[in-house]
Amino acid sequence: ETGVTQTPRHLVMGMTNKKSLKCEQHLGHNAMYWYKQSAKKPLELMFVYSLEERVENNSVPSRFSPECPNSSHLFLHLHTLQPEDSALYLCASSRTWASGRAEGNEQFFGPGTRLTVL
Amino acid sequence: AQTVTQSQPEMSVQEAETVTLSCTYDTSENNYYLFWYKQPPSRQMILVIRQEAYKQQNATENRFSVNFQKAAKSFSLKISDSQLGDTAMYFCAFKYGNKLVFGAGTILRVKS
Repeated sequence: ETGVTQTPRHLVMGMTNKKSLKCEQHLGHNAMYWYKQSAKKPLELMFVYSLEERVENNSVPSRFSPECPNSSHLFLHLHTLQPEDSALYLCASSRTWASGRAEGNEQFFGPGTRLTVL
Repeated sequence: AQTVTQSQPEMSVQEAETVTLSCTYDTSENNYYLFWYKQPPSRQMILVIRQEAYKQQNATENRFSVNFQKAAKSFSLKISDSQLGDTAMYFCAFKYGNKLVFGAGTILRVKS
């Protein structure tokens, strides 16, 4: 099994639907991340979990709700999305960082979920 | 706030030639890490090379090397002997603590 997997790979949903994106890592990492990649924009960090605790929430609208039940799994629950939320959603994982220090721990990325909101 | 700027939206290079991708960043931090990531058309993002800010020696990884100029806050990527498989979007990224800040990316096309 490859390092970081994401399901589904493609998702089309209406604005009133509720769906979830799933990410799973098989690398023994204990930090996981959600990013949003829109056309012609830099990757935007959405959420960071370290040791299953959310440590970063970059002003993401509440219609995106993350969940990290254990260090290997990360979910992004979606409800009442808008068309502008259409994007590629990337999951990543890494070892945790040492408190107070910049750590060069590489983030390993999944293949992404291509989300289209109609 | 940290920002990363990649001023070249697209570049092309002939197979076997050398190409340099530019990246500048802005930060007031002194201890940080810089990365180049590659995202091929298949979309899986992979790490190309990493540089610790406290190291003066430029990082090298096979055909990939960087020119790290800390005072100028510049971190360019040089790809030697370009191969068709190098065609991808390349992202420069800055890391401090748990945040990884990406540039907008440069599309590199290697032509045969």
